[in-house]
Amino acid sequence: GQQVQQSPTSLVLQEGENAELQCNFSTSLNSMQWFYQRPGGSLVSVFYNPSGTKQSGRLTSTTVIKERRSSLHISSSQITDSGTYLCAMGRGSNNRIFFGDGTQLVVKP
Amino acid sequence: EAAVTQSPRSKVAVTGGKVTLSCHQTNNHDYMYWYRQDTGHGLRLIHYSYVADSTEKGDIPDGYKASRPSQENFSLILELASLSQTAVYFCASSDGRPSGNTLYFGEGSRLIVV
Repeated sequence: GQQVQQSPTSLVLQEGENAELQCNFSTSLNSMQWFYQRPGGSLVSVFYNPSGTKQSGRLTSTTVIKERRSSLHISSSQITDSGTYLCAMGRGSNNRIFFGDGTQLVVKP
Repeated sequence: EAAVTQSPRSKVAVTGGKVTLSCHQTNNHDYMYWYRQDTGHGLRLIHYSYVADSTEKGDIPDGYKASRPSQENFSLILELASLSQTAVYFCASSDGRPSGNTLYFGEGSRLIVV
């Protein structure tokens, strides 16, 4: 079964609106990351955040290990934020990494 | 400069033919991974390696082999390509430590099997 569940599947925003992306895990984890994938492109790590809250510019990630969830908040969205956001968790002694299916974000002018 | 490079970036292969996807990293990382991404879905792990000359099966290894001849290089081999293996393949590296295990990805290799 799916170990990493992301919601929503897709999201359309007007430029300037805020976004909240969720990631839920079905098992315990060692680590978790958020990635941004450009349309048709590669993946870039946005946050490595195994626990707590991290902020980088307009992006904030909060991971609550005990509740097996993580969120990514995007404030004042911009057109260039459009793309797919994937969360991934690492678990086990060899830290195998499992991905969610992603949230496709479209920011319109 | 890119620290994880994949080749080829795209390929059209014939059903039943052999395909080799190559990956080279300059991160000095022990761990390397091959993932597959199908349209609209996340990444699924095919094979990975944490040391040269050794590979491990991931979640969907059937129909794929892997080779890690050195720390820097990791190949994915499709001995008999099938239509269902049409996908985008990503290579990644990491230092493997649970406390600092950020993945670094290549640009992806788009494979179309006809």
